[in-house]
Amino acid sequence: SAVISQKPSRDICQRGTSLTIQCQVDSQVTMMFWYRQQPGQSLTLIATANQGSEATYESGFVIDKFPISRPNLTFSTLTVSNMSPEDSSIYLCSVDKGTAINGGYTFGSGTRLTVV
Amino acid sequence: DAKTTQPTSMDCAEGRAANLPCNHSTISGNEYVYWYRQIHSQGPQYIIHGLKNNETNEMASLIITEDRKSSTLILPHATLRDTAVYYCIVRVGSSTLGRLYFGRGTQLTVWP
Repeated sequence: SAVISQKPSRDICQRGTSLTIQCQVDSQVTMMFWYRQQPGQSLTLIATANQGSEATYESGFVIDKFPISRPNLTFSTLTVSNMSPEDSSIYLCSVDKGTAINGGYTFGSGTRLTVV
Repeated sequence: DAKTTQPTSMDCAEGRAANLPCNHSTISGNEYVYWYRQIHSQGPQYIIHGLKNNETNEMASLIITEDRKSSTLILPHATLRDTAVYYCIVRVGSSTLGRLYFGRGTQLTVWP
């Protein structure tokens, strides 16, 4: 399975500012995904990061708030813009290696964001 | 993707088998059953998946009913380190449809 490096692991940010989270994979992957996990909740899919095109956002998430880049097949960034305390969550990057044989999905260790 | 229903919480004594049920009555013929777990503050970890046959690996066994409307994840000898939230997910197995949607999962607590 793929190995994912996600940075930063945690941050405390002031409201109104923006934070960019990086996700680096040790091999080329077709699909990369960004999730949010609010305190005490399950994981919610934010968007699919597509290489060479705009990200595909899930209902309730918009590009202005969560711009995503995917410059190549091993890297993606998620920016949380104009943050408020409600954005305090764990943000996780995930990749699909494209096979059902071994489950396919690998998750990063997450970025714990606190907005004050 | 089909919806799944899991109990909110379960507990199990250390060393005993933990049997975690999942209902997926609307599952389609080409949808796989996946299990992941999330230990506190970590990213989810893949456990096992199957289509219609029972599956076993070094972590767990997956029993899928003949009509595929439900399944059970079995941890044969639970340890304290197995305390986690367990997610049952059904999705099409094709690599072209990669999204995973998580439900609320089951909080498994293993006690000494």
